[in-house]
Amino acid sequence: GNSVTQMEGPVTLSEEAFLTINCTYTATGYPSLFWYVQYPGEGLQLLLKATKADDKGSNKGFEATYRKETTSFHLEKGSVQVSDSAVYFCALSERAGNNDMRFGAGTRLTVKP
Amino acid sequence: NAGVMQNPRHLVRRRGQEARLRCSPMKGHSHVYWYRQLPEEGLKFMVYLQKENIIDESGMPKERFSAEFPKEGPSILRIQQVVRGDSAAYFCASSPENGGTYEQYFGPGTRLTVT
Repeated sequence: GNSVTQMEGPVTLSEEAFLTINCTYTATGYPSLFWYVQYPGEGLQLLLKATKADDKGSNKGFEATYRKETTSFHLEKGSVQVSDSAVYFCALSERAGNNDMRFGAGTRLTVKP
Repeated sequence: NAGVMQNPRHLVRRRGQEARLRCSPMKGHSHVYWYRQLPEEGLKFMVYLQKENIIDESGMPKERFSAEFPKEGPSILRIQQVVRGDSAAYFCASSPENGGTYEQYFGPGTRLTVT
């Protein structure tokens, strides 16, 4: 079945450091890929998405490129801020029918000033 | 356009009581999903509903848990005879269609504490 694997956390960085959170997926077809962010005490918010191979999703300085050849969707940001401290979830969705959204386990990011 | 609404935000129940969690999807969304998140863990899918229909309940415990999404009103997740292990954050999400390119929009969650 479809699944998502994220790098384990927690990740701790200093402000203005470069961020990479790895995400790889397993799917039978051509899924859409998503990154969600969860700030403390809140629900998940969509950060970015990509719906086909080679698409790049971007938002708030974060980017992720849909790489079909490596089945990956790594999240990157060139210069993190303290306000980026949150838990990040990679997810995929392939087809309609039963609930097809699959989430990774989440990666906690802490950015220190 | 209001987002996904959940209430209550915090709910405290004693063991053996019933917990009733409500979710109003975004306007125009007819697909509702419930997830559970244990402390420091990821999301666990519970149930997917459309109006008056349960489409996928593969993640729902067989006993004590039930969900509905009536023709009128919010979706309800009901937990009967709660136990301490039910303490978690319960998130509702909605989408205009299911699957494919459609993302799910999440509510702020209901944090259930069983004492």
